[in-house]
Amino acid sequence: KNEVEQSPQNLTAQEGEFITINCSYSVGISALHWLQQHPGGGIVSLFMLSSGKKKHGRLIATINIQEKHSSLHITASHPRDSAVYICAALRAYNTDKLIFGTGTRLQVFP
Amino acid sequence: GAGVSQSPSNKVTEKGKDVELRCDPISGHTALYWYRQSLGQGLEFLIYFQGNSAPDKSGLPSDRFSAERTGGSVSTLTIQRTQQEDSAVYLCASSFLGSNQPQHFGDGTRLSIL
Repeated sequence: KNEVEQSPQNLTAQEGEFITINCSYSVGISALHWLQQHPGGGIVSLFMLSSGKKKHGRLIATINIQEKHSSLHITASHPRDSAVYICAALRAYNTDKLIFGTGTRLQVFP
Repeated sequence: GAGVSQSPSNKVTEKGKDVELRCDPISGHTALYWYRQSLGQGLEFLIYFQGNSAPDKSGLPSDRFSAERTGGSVSTLTIQRTQQEDSAVYLCASSFLGSNQPQHFGDGTRLSIL
């Protein structure tokens, strides 16, 4: 079993739909990252959070430390949101090692 | 301002050759990370640096892989006697020191071993 699990693996949506991507982890963490990988391969850091909720534009990330679960929400989805979304857990205790989920491939159709 | 710069962007080489990949982090970023993404696979941690020292090398796949960082800035990842399974995109990221700092990624080096 992977230490960081994401679901779903693939997701298709119509433009305007509300999207949720889930991430569960089994290790102790100091923070959790959400990354976006564009079709060309470039990776952008969307959020890094250790508690609560963060919002940036149409993107919202939440984390529940007790349940070891995080979600990434996209409101009013748009075709330009099509990408692979990756959850990555930053291990606690003397390391800055990221453990990656396998990613969620999102396609938003007009 | 400049982001994380990696070179070359693409490298094709024959099996058995040595390759050297370079990463220029964002100026002032003390932490530097190397990752690998094989075709159809997720991201895999290789090694990270705090300054010039590497506290965690646990992700290096074999002793053919090594990395160094000098002057707290540029890092090179060297793969000796390349094998076909080394073909992947090698990504570098940098950040300010501290677990609450976001990582900034380069565009990667796509390595193809023939």
